Amino acid sequence: SQQGEEDPQALSIQEGENATMNCSYKTSINNLQWYRQNSGRGLVHLILIRSNEREKHSGRLRVTLDTSKKSSSLLITASRAADTASYFCATDGYYGNNRLAFGKGNQVVVIP
Amino acid sequence: EPEVTQTPSHQVTQMGQEVILRCVPISNHLYFYWYRQILGQKVEFLVSFYNNEISEKSEIFDDQFSVERPDGSNFTLKIRSTKLEDSAMYFCASSDGLAGGGKTQYFGPGTRLLVL
Repeated sequence: SQQGEEDPQALSIQEGENATMNCSYKTSINNLQWYRQNSGRGLVHLILIRSNEREKHSGRLRVTLDTSKKSSSLLITASRAADTASYFCATDGYYGNNRLAFGKGNQVVVIP
Repeated sequence: EPEVTQTPSHQVTQMGQEVILRCVPISNHLYFYWYRQILGQKVEFLVSFYNNEISEKSEIFDDQFSVERPDGSNFTLKIRSTKLEDSAMYFCASSDGLAGGGKTQYFGPGTRLLVL
């Protein structure tokens, strides 16, 4: 399968701590995106990183991309209870330019 | 901020019945998608739609499925004869360009379909 695949970890952290989750994929990509899903709800786009970028920041989010290792990480700094959610990476490029391939998701629980 | 909307939020149906899931994409977007997520599993691509025709579909999107843009605002997914395994959350998404070109796909809140 040529899909984004997160390390299927359930992460439980204290509010204020940093949360890091990883994603690996198997083929060349154009972009990698991270989405958040609150329990049973829709997918919220967080950040997109292009294949020629190595790091990107958006507020408390930091995404890295290592195309040589075909992996990405998402760091949430100074976590809040509201960050409790599942986080998915999604890649494009293998099946065609417009189909996103999602990983299984990392469940993050931030304890107040 | 513009958003994708979906109706209904929940749908319960009997096996073999037809269901139509509705979506209103973001108004200036040209590309439309359906994805589904079976409980506890990955989000899976079903179909993409551009210029009033299907541009890409997955192996999941068989003859039981169809999509339509009946007017200038709605985008629908029809399942002709539902099966138990069609039970899932169905997400509509839209974008103003190709994912490979760095365009974000914006997702709706989903319709949870339960087939009994």
